[in-house]
Amino acid sequence: DAKTTQPTSMDCAEGRAANLPCNHSTISGNEYVYWYRQIHSQGPQYIIHGLKNNETNEMASLIITEDRKSSTLILPHATLRDTAVYYCIVRDKAGTALIFGKGTTLSVSS
Amino acid sequence: GAVVSQHPSWVICKSGTSVKIECRSLDFQATTMFWYRQFPKQSLMLMATSNEGSKATYEQGVEKDKFLINHASLTLSTLTVTSAHPEDSSFYICSARAAGAGGPNEQFFGPGTRLTVL
Repeated sequence: DAKTTQPTSMDCAEGRAANLPCNHSTISGNEYVYWYRQIHSQGPQYIIHGLKNNETNEMASLIITEDRKSSTLILPHATLRDTAVYYCIVRDKAGTALIFGKGTTLSVSS
Repeated sequence: GAVVSQHPSWVICKSGTSVKIECRSLDFQATTMFWYRQFPKQSLMLMATSNEGSKATYEQGVEKDKFLINHASLTLSTLTVTSAHPEDSSFYICSARAAGAGGPNEQFFGPGTRLTVL
C-alpha cells in the first residue's frame, strides 16, 4: 500500500504557483520522498526527490518539514502543460519498485 | 535523463490471441525492469519485477502464466499477455533501473502501451 496521502484534486491559475501537499507520517529515516507526474496517456515523468533538505531543480521545488512527516511540491509558475496527476512516493534507496498511490490531479486553467 | 522505449505504443487484438510488448533501455543497461498496469482513471499498479537473467517476481494477484515476462538482456524486457481477454485491456507501462545505480532517482519509465482486446 502507498505510504502517502494526497488531496484528490487541486486547481491553479496559469502563471501562479501550484503548491501540492503530501503527508507521509510513517516515513522512516532511510526513505526518500519522490515526486512524479503523469500527463494523460503517457508514462510517469520524474520531477524531484529529497531526503530531508529542501531541493530545487529546473522543474520544481520540494519543501520537506523538519519532522519529515509531510512535504510540498511547488511549481513556481504553473502553465497549462503542467496539468497532470502528481504522485508523491516514499521509498528507500535500496531500489525496490516505486509504489504509486492515487495522486493529486492538478488542473491549470487560463 | 535515461530513455526507455516501448513497442508497440498501442495494439488492438482479438480475444484469445497473445500480445507481446517490448521494453528497451536505449542509453543505459538495466539490471532490473518493472512492469505496471493502469486501468482508466486509476493509478499505476505494479505487476512484476524482472531481473536480467532470472525469473520475474510477480505481485500478489498477478497470474504469472498469463503475463509472461522475459528479461534476457540488459536492455530488453518483454511482457507477453497470453490468451488475452477484454478484461486485460489496459495501459501497460515498463520502468527500468540502471545497472550499478546508487542514486535514488534511478527508475525511468517508458511511454506506455495501450492494449485493447476485442
